[in-house]
Formats: sequence, C-alpha cells, structure tokens
Amino acid sequence: AQTVTQSQPEMSVQEAETVTLSCTYDTSESDYYLFWYKQPPSRQMILVIRQEAYKQQNATENRFSVNFQKAAKSFSLKISDSQLGDAAMYFCASQGAQKLVFGQGTRLTINP
Amino acid sequence: NAGVTQTPKFRVLKTGQSMTLLCAQDMNHEYMYWYRQDPGMGLRLIHYSVGEGTTAKGEVPDGYNVSRLKKQNFLLGLESAAPSQTSVYFCASSYSRLAGSTDTQYFGPGTRLTVL
Repeated sequence: AQTVTQSQPEMSVQEAETVTLSCTYDTSESDYYLFWYKQPPSRQMILVIRQEAYKQQNATENRFSVNFQKAAKSFSLKISDSQLGDAAMYFCASQGAQKLVFGQGTRLTINP
Repeated sequence: NAGVTQTPKFRVLKTGQSMTLLCAQDMNHEYMYWYRQDPGMGLRLIHYSVGEGTTAKGEVPDGYNVSRLKKQNFLLGLESAAPSQTSVYFCASSYSRLAGSTDTQYFGPGTRLTVL
C-alpha cells in the first residue's frame, strides 16, 4: 500500500522569498514516480514537477525544485522567488502501478 | 487540443436521484481515472480504467459505477445519490506505462456535486 503525508496544513511566505513544502511517503514498490501538483482557487490540478524514483538527480522546473531523499522517503518542494501567483493548495503524490495516491495538501499563502 | 474535459461543471441532486458524469480526453491516453476531493483531504481514487472496455475499483468505489465504452470517454454513474457523495469530482488520464511513459496524469477541471 502507498501512503503520502504532508505535515504542514498551511504555510506562508513573503513575496520573492523561498519556501519549502514537506512530504513523506511510503511504498512497497521499487518502480514509482513522485509528483507535486498545484491547485489554485480555480480547482484545476496543475502538474508542478515530477521525479522518477530511479533517478538520483533532483528534478528542477524553473523556480521549482525538489529534494528527493529516497532512503528517508522524503520528497520536499522548494519554491524560489515566490510570486503572488504561486498561492494555492499544493499536493504531493506518489504513483506506483497506475494508482496515484495524494497527500492531504498544504495551503500556501504569499504575502505581498 | 482540449485535453481532459468534464461535463457538467456543477450539479445539485436530491437524495436518491441518479446522474452520470462524463469525462472526455483527446490525447489518446490508455488510462483514465475518477477521483473525489473532499474538504481537507487530497484526491481519492474511485475507479479507473486501463483501456477501452475495462474498469477497476479504486480506494472508494462504493456507490459508484463506471463504464469505458470508448477509449476517449470515461463515465461515472451515481445510481442513488446520497449526501455523503457531495464532493468535487475529478477525471484524469495518462498514457500506458507499457508505452514507456512517465505516467503523468492530466486532470480535468472538476465537477462540483451537491446532494441534498
């Protein structure tokens, strides 16, 4: 069985600063993927970043990067130079055999 | 290229009524999924399909039925709606892992369903 835990229900950051969202997961599968999705007030689920578990190098997408610690089963998201448009719910997710399991989400607020 | 679309966007039902949510994707994806999202929780998988004519149960399948008669469409049915089914429903689709894909799921905009 897969589980994903996000221990921070809410986070806030000043505009232009850096924030890190935490995620831990558990899976018995050897081949899996990890994702961060963003859900703004529009409700649309938007893929932020993706990490293949077999890759040691941390994924990066512009201002978004992850810290993937496979042994610790940790997958945190770092947002650099935070912008007002980054305000949203952020969900960490783990995918094994076709099934995507989500964490409870972290609500990120950006303070101008 | 519309991606994943869902019909309707909003719906209000009375207890005991039935309805069908339609999901359509134009990306030629093999896999399709139905999730529900409740306040304070992430998305939970209701049912999924790994190809035309196939369906399988997810984490919370009770009270729902699905059909995948065409590759591009995945229908979610509620035969007798209950207030506990008040939720936001999301459809998603992805390529088959057998095709060597990265399994990224692409989501529709969601349907807000209220059961009174």
